[in-house]
Amino acid sequence: NAGVTQTPKFQVLKTGQSMTLQCAQDMNHEYMSWYRQDPGMGLRLIHYSVGAGITDQGEVPNGYNVSRSTTEDFPLRLLSAAPSQTSVYFCASSYRGRVNEQFFGPGTRLTVL
Amino acid sequence: AQTVTQSQPEMSVQEAETVTLSCTYDTSESDYYLFWYKQPPSRQMILVIRQEAYKQQNATENRFSVNFQKAAKSFSLKISDSQLGDAAMYFCAYREGGGSNYKLTFGKGTLLTVNP
Repeated sequence: NAGVTQTPKFQVLKTGQSMTLQCAQDMNHEYMSWYRQDPGMGLRLIHYSVGAGITDQGEVPNGYNVSRSTTEDFPLRLLSAAPSQTSVYFCASSYRGRVNEQFFGPGTRLTVL
Repeated sequence: AQTVTQSQPEMSVQEAETVTLSCTYDTSESDYYLFWYKQPPSRQMILVIRQEAYKQQNATENRFSVNFQKAAKSFSLKISDSQLGDAAMYFCAYREGGGSNYKLTFGKGTLLTVNP
């Protein structure tokens, strides 16, 4: 199993540009989520999904869109990037009944100039 | 809202010695879970240990153990026989119980340095 994979590892954007951060898992996990990690802070939940076709907002959803068309993939879209979205983004997944065993991806470092 | 506080931004320990990282949390719930995650320089988040609030016995995983004081809302991590590979950022996290509660609430982290 590749586990949870994220692409790209690094990305630099200009203000106003759009992009999609990719997250995929090959463990057939129902639950997937996106977190952001800012300096001096812990991870904060952006969006999550409990299965294909189902998404919901987390703690800091503004400026981000998600969709879940397949069990494996959970992309995070920035429609118009802002400097405040400079952060490290983590994707996590788990079986729906085993949320205490979440697997994290390696993260994407995003810089918005 | 639940909050998780790690009051020690940085800690250091000599190799082979023991270190304790502190964590307090605030919640009005009785059913919840607590976690310690390790984040080495590779950025990978690794689950170290978890504790169910309904269990009185403190969780242990090899050299890692917790001191869970439910009434005091305290959840400290003890690392015994510290190794150079233990150097990392450590995050305390909380999750409310229940089948539809997925969110992990994290503290700000403690950076642990292990000196040879």
